[in-house]
Amino acid sequence: QLVLTQSPSASASLGASVKLTCTLSSGHSSYAIAWHQQQPEKGPRYLMKLSSDGSHNKGDGIPDRFSGSSSGAERYLTISSLQSEDEADYYCQTWGTGPNVVFGGGTKLTVL
Amino acid sequence: QLQLQESGPGLVKPSETLSLTCTVSGGSISSSSYYWGWIRQPPGKGLEWIGSIYYSGSTYYNPSLKSRVTISVDTSKNQFSLKLSSVTAADTAVFYCARHERNSKGLLSYFDYWGQGTLVTVSS
Repeated sequence: QLVLTQSPSASASLGASVKLTCTLSSGHSSYAIAWHQQQPEKGPRYLMKLSSDGSHNKGDGIPDRFSGSSSGAERYLTISSLQSEDEADYYCQTWGTGPNVVFGGGTKLTVL
Repeated sequence: QLQLQESGPGLVKPSETLSLTCTVSGGSISSSSYYWGWIRQPPGKGLEWIGSIYYSGSTYYNPSLKSRVTISVDTSKNQFSLKLSSVTAADTAVFYCARHERNSKGLLSYFDYWGQGTLVTVSS
């Protein structure tokens, strides 16, 4: 079964960097994912598509501070030079051959 | 810039049918490169895919909701719609419409544009 696992919470200081993780279930390590940001009281916003080889293509207007990388079944979102507006929920999303669409449970990022 | 806007009643009674429409502007719903989807988010919880449609009318649904969901498209109005039948309080959520890329196999892919969402409360 295609499942995405995310830590429920993360925190980092203003100006620092943080790396969020999304883990694909066993047997699905070659899958691409997408990262989405949801700021408080807003709809989600597409950040990037991230492939198993670490290549990624970002959405319109997404700052260079946001980058993605991959290792095995793990997909990472790194945010550098953290700003207060980066405090948000971050969701990973993938798609299967069902076809179906799966979301991770989300990570709530707190900027200290 | 592509924009999606959800519309519909904010309150639905239990056992009735929830109906929402998504209006697409700044792009054509008839593009061969995209699917159009519905996603919901119960208060304080995560995102759940409901289903998606291609401009031709081909649909794909979340198996857990399939028996209660119908998604349709009206290309003349650049809109697509969601009906969810036999609703209960557990269906209370913010509902989002979004666009997906169509992948190289012609199937669903990642969402790249989202609407702002609309809250639907199920209550008598």
